[in-house]
Amino acid sequence: RKEVEQDPGPFNVPEGATVAFNCTYSNSASQSFFWYRQDCRKEPKLLMSVYSSGNEDGRFTAQLNRASQYISLLIRDSKLSDSATYLCVSYNYQLIWGAGTKLIIKP
Amino acid sequence: NAGVTQTPKFRILKIGQSMTLQCAQDMNHNYMYWYRQDPGMGLKLIYYSVGAGITDKGEVPNGYNVSRSTTEDFPLRLELAAPSQTSVYFCATGGGSEQFFGPGTRLTVL
Repeated sequence: RKEVEQDPGPFNVPEGATVAFNCTYSNSASQSFFWYRQDCRKEPKLLMSVYSSGNEDGRFTAQLNRASQYISLLIRDSKLSDSATYLCVSYNYQLIWGAGTKLIIKP
Repeated sequence: NAGVTQTPKFRILKIGQSMTLQCAQDMNHNYMYWYRQDPGMGLKLIYYSVGAGITDKGEVPNGYNVSRSTTEDFPLRLELAAPSQTSVYFCATGGGSEQFFGPGTRLTVL
């Protein structure tokens, strides 16, 4: 079993839709969690950290459920510019990366 | 500030050749990392360094070597390149949480 697992995707959604990404992690000792965004043929960049209380940054909301070892990312009112691959990452002295879920926003 | 720079951007190697991927940072971070990313996969840690003179193996170190003589530079050496090393290589710097990545080196071994 992979340490961090994500929906394989791709997700094809119309502009303006709400998109939800799911992620599970196997190491209960993982201390922190993050969502990174990676544009095609580019390097990953931090999108947001994930806190147990849930956190929001504009149209993006991240949630962590430690009991279920589950992380989510919600994008509301999706834009064409949101098209990218979204990587779920856990941290336990090292970053452990999910394979990513590709999102394609259609006009 | 350039952040994290990597050279070359692209390289094609023949089986058995060697090369060094260069990485430099001007962010004054102690931690530096080398990852590889195969198509459709997440990043795999090759080597990392917590400071000048200190390096350690990551998840997939076989076939690679690193050195860290300065805070700024963290080169990755491939000896005897194999087709399985065809990948995109990312250098990164930062602390335990947010990491800042270079633009990557696309390596093909034929």
